Amino acid sequence: GAGVSQTPSNKVTEKGKYVELRCDPISGHTALYWYRQSLGQGPEFLIYFQGTGAADDSGLPNDRFFAVRPEGSVSTLKIQRTERGDSAVYLCASSLYASGPNEQFFGPGTRLTVL
Amino acid sequence: AQSVTQLGSHVSVSEGALVLLRCNYSSSVPPYLFWYVQYPNQGLQLLLKYTTGATLVKGINGFEAEFKKSETSFHLTKPSAHMSDAAEYFCALPYGSSNTGKLIFGQGTTLQVKP
Repeated sequence: GAGVSQTPSNKVTEKGKYVELRCDPISGHTALYWYRQSLGQGPEFLIYFQGTGAADDSGLPNDRFFAVRPEGSVSTLKIQRTERGDSAVYLCASSLYASGPNEQFFGPGTRLTVL
Repeated sequence: AQSVTQLGSHVSVSEGALVLLRCNYSSSVPPYLFWYVQYPNQGLQLLLKYTTGATLVKGINGFEAEFKKSETSFHLTKPSAHMSDAAEYFCALPYGSSNTGKLIFGQGTTLQVKP
């Protein structure tokens, strides 16, 4: 598989629970991005990594959201104490490096439903 | 502040007809501009991008877009719609002057193609 993969494809959880969403980027891509897409909206930026470090987390809505990329490849988006408003599709993208004109390759997303 | 506006959340055309999806942007710096397509249950796929140089950009699947600085527009066109073009389309540009690659998206336009 040469593309970006995300697991799980669907996640249903109850309000207050903790969830982890995983992203496997394209091999060799140094930049990794997380976006959130609500119904009927375009994706909204959450956080991006250059290598292992979170270079910009200004899009994270609050401190319940956290993401890691410990080895510079796979990334995990973690949401604590989930709320119904967190329900959305979470998209991951990677690119060769973080730069304006570089194409980002997107995964199919994880659909999170908080009951 | 930068922004992307897509006029028309839903566009319907007949098969074989011209496709025109509108995108206007606001940017304080010379923009890079992207069009992405999202098929049901799939990740976003890059259709085309404008970086510098020629203002008429050709992409995949017969789509093209023209960057018009005076009109701050980057409308997407295709001369003849095909049933397989039915999807959601997003216009996007990178945030700010910092070269991070993180994208701001329009709200999307759903293209319906009627037989």
